[in-house]
Amino acid sequence: AQKVTQAQTEISVVEKEDVTLDCVYETRDTTYYLFWYKQPPSGELVFLIRRNSFDEQNEISGRYSWNFQKSTSSFNFTITASQVVDSAVYFCALQTASQGGSEKLVFGKGTKLTVNP
Amino acid sequence: EAQVTQNPRYLITVTGKKLTVTCSQNMNHEYMSWYRQDPGLGLRQIYYSMNVEVTDKGDVPEGYKVSRKEKRNFPLILESPSPNQTSLYFCASSLLGAGEQYFGPGTRLTVT
Repeated sequence: AQKVTQAQTEISVVEKEDVTLDCVYETRDTTYYLFWYKQPPSGELVFLIRRNSFDEQNEISGRYSWNFQKSTSSFNFTITASQVVDSAVYFCALQTASQGGSEKLVFGKGTKLTVNP
Repeated sequence: EAQVTQNPRYLITVTGKKLTVTCSQNMNHEYMSWYRQDPGLGLRQIYYSMNVEVTDKGDVPEGYKVSRKEKRNFPLILESPSPNQTSLYFCASSLLGAGEQYFGPGTRLTVT
């Protein structure tokens, strides 16, 4: 079965600190996608990144970076120099090809990040 | 503008009163899906559809119905809502095999 674990329920940091959100996944599939979504207080889901299982290169987008390690089944998300606007709930999600073609996203329970001024 | 729309955005209703939450996408996506979000549980899939007239159950389908008569629309029907269906609901769509799903803005439903 597919599973995503975000062990950090809540994290609180002070502005300009770096923060890493952990994501550990479980799947027996060799082909899968990993996602991160941001849910600000307004409630919508904002797509941040998609990474396929064959691409282990780390990715950087501005202050955001992602570290994908198949050896530890982890897909961690780091925000550098955090800002108050980064305050949100962040979800990690897994999509595999073996779910009867359902394209279903299996979500972690989310990590609530609070960035204090 | 490419988007997924949901209506209503907020709804307060009473137990047993049938309701429909509409979902529409303008991207010609084959795949559409409904999720519910509950505190501490993340998002869980309710139903999905691979194309017109093709629907199937997700992880938490009890108490819900869906239909897919047109490619762009995928309404979620609660025939007899109960308080345990109080939740935040998201509709999503994507091209099959494309990976990224586009989410609607969410519908916050309260059943009293």
